[in-house]
Amino acid sequence: SAVISQKPSRDICQRGTSLTIQCQVDSQVTMMFWYRQQPGQSLTLIATANQGSEATYESGFVIDKFPISRPNLTFSTLTVSNMSPEDSSIYLCSVEGFEQFFGPGTRLTVL
Amino acid sequence: GQNIDQPTEMTATEGAIVQINCTYQTSGFNGLFWYQQHAGEAPTFLSYNVLDGLEEKGRFSSFLSRSKGYSYLLLKELQMKDSASYLCAVRDSNYQLIWGAGTKLIIKP
Repeated sequence: SAVISQKPSRDICQRGTSLTIQCQVDSQVTMMFWYRQQPGQSLTLIATANQGSEATYESGFVIDKFPISRPNLTFSTLTVSNMSPEDSSIYLCSVEGFEQFFGPGTRLTVL
Repeated sequence: GQNIDQPTEMTATEGAIVQINCTYQTSGFNGLFWYQQHAGEAPTFLSYNVLDGLEEKGRFSSFLSRSKGYSYLLLKELQMKDSASYLCAVRDSNYQLIWGAGTKLIIKP
């Protein structure tokens, strides 16, 4: 199993600003995943972050809006750029073992 | 396209049994997962099926029929703490997880 921590746990931000979410894993992993979960919805994969290469983005998500860093095998960041109220969501970091392990999530509210 | 269908919401009584169904159409199949998600928390793993049949784990059981593209999660002796959303997810031929929208289970005393 993997233990994942995320910072911040929640934030309230103003429209047009950016927020960087940090994800730390207690073991080295090849791939880290960033998900979004909008209110009342299921999980949507934003991108897959591999150490040493550019993140792979899913349809509907672009690097300019959601830049990702993956400096080593235990850490990643996701930035939500130029935020709008539509970005209000829970953002979850995840790693894959036998099953998918999730961090506690970052609850973002954009005013 | 790929999709997973689950009921949006179900209601059951404490102490009873409830079955949450999941049907899927995916490009390939490499296993089906059930997750539990309490409000405001991250999903946690419940069960995994890759072969047809029933997997039992305490009060929870999960069933799979690959030929029918169908699974269910069975919860017995329901407790108030079982009130949560239950997410069905399928790993496709590319080993990507496809997520259902989740079933919100409401337990009444």
